[in-house]
Amino acid sequence: GENVEQHPSTLSVQEGDSAVIKCTYSDSASNYFPWYKQELGKRPQLIIDIRSNVGEKKDQRIAVTLNKTAKHFSLHITETQPEDSAVYFCAASIWSGGSYIPTFGRGTSLIVHP
Amino acid sequence: SAVISQKPSRDICQRGTSLTIQCQVDSQVTMMFWYRQQPGQSLTLIATANQGSEATYESGFVIDKFPISRPNLTFSTLTVSNMSPEDSSIYLCSVGPGSLNEKLFFGSGTQLSVL
Repeated sequence: GENVEQHPSTLSVQEGDSAVIKCTYSDSASNYFPWYKQELGKRPQLIIDIRSNVGEKKDQRIAVTLNKTAKHFSLHITETQPEDSAVYFCAASIWSGGSYIPTFGRGTSLIVHP
Repeated sequence: SAVISQKPSRDICQRGTSLTIQCQVDSQVTMMFWYRQQPGQSLTLIATANQGSEATYESGFVIDKFPISRPNLTFSTLTVSNMSPEDSSIYLCSVGPGSLNEKLFFGSGTQLSVL
């Protein structure tokens, strides 16, 4: 089955700095890669996603890049703010039986210091 | 995005009892998923629930421990049976992307503590 590695497990930055979280996956059949933000005590919220036919996608301060050949994808957050502090999960998804089935990384705890 | 209502939001249960978690979606969806998130951990898929068929369980999860119902296209339940403290986790339902632009949405979760 799919295996997703996510690094780093903890990331501490100063407000205004950039943050980068990296994920690798093992199954070349994966073709949908969402990222989720989970604040303490809340559900994971989808923040951005990318499909295998796209190399990069940007939404304001967040961007995701995908290198399908190398099987890795990354989340980039620029101009970080304290409100960005949360746990971020990447996922690699395979289409199966009528839906994408994601496998999640272990998560990155992002701490943004004011 | 789909609106997913999950209840209860939290519960404290005694060892050996069972708890049924309900998940209601505001639109018809083909696939629903149940995840477990242990404290400080990632999201682990328990099973996939399709309407009109038996749920498909992931390795390490069995129907006797986590029976699932899917009576229609908008509703599902997960029961955590014969609970032990190791079952203390957050349980999340989610709806599969299907025709919804390949996006996976989560319910609000059930925080379960087993004493």
